[in-house]
Amino acid sequence: EAQVTQNPRYLITVTGKKLTVTCSQNMNHEYMSWYRQDPGLGLRQIYYSMNVEVTDKGDVPEGYKVSRKEKRNFPLILESPSPNQTSLYFCASSFYGGGPYEQYFGPGTRLTVT
Amino acid sequence: DQQVKQNSPSLSVQEGRISILNCDYTNSMFDYFLWYKKYPAEGPTFLISISSIKDKNEDGRFTVFLNKSAKHLSLHIVPSQPGDSAVYFCAASAAQKLVFGQGTRLTINP
Repeated sequence: EAQVTQNPRYLITVTGKKLTVTCSQNMNHEYMSWYRQDPGLGLRQIYYSMNVEVTDKGDVPEGYKVSRKEKRNFPLILESPSPNQTSLYFCASSFYGGGPYEQYFGPGTRLTVT
Repeated sequence: DQQVKQNSPSLSVQEGRISILNCDYTNSMFDYFLWYKKYPAEGPTFLISISSIKDKNEDGRFTVFLNKSAKHLSLHIVPSQPGDSAVYFCAASAAQKLVFGQGTRLTINP
């Protein structure tokens, strides 16, 4: 089954404790991206990657890191989480056909930072 | 600066009637527009898209209209069904970035 998986689905952590949210896709997609969803703000793009070892900032990259060492995986790293990073996070992927069109989304990771 | 805006947080429609969801944008460099549907506890799923060189795209019960001069797009669902109850996001693409609106919660009443 074609899918994007994220782990963990739920995470409660404390300020400053490094964490990683994993994302994996089995569709051989070149393009992968991370978003956060906040009430009243919709989804905002954090980082995206057009292929292995190629990443770039989205609209809200501060406080986040990513890496793309393999085509299927695109982990999101919070080196020192803060309460304002409490949010619902989505990973997405698509074929790279000239733009981030028709992205497939994972089920989301709800992160709470206390 | 919100480049893509959905000004109606919620919309309630009778089953069988037409649902119209609206979206406005400010960046004339957007070259593709998309609508996504989201159920609770799930990720958004792609619904329909339209290129900036077109003014209408239809897929079954779903039609998207684009008015470039007004920088406005709309999604029409007809007839509306109970399974259409969800949050709908419009999104616009420029370069490699996708910008989403705030979402509109659509409720279809029996």
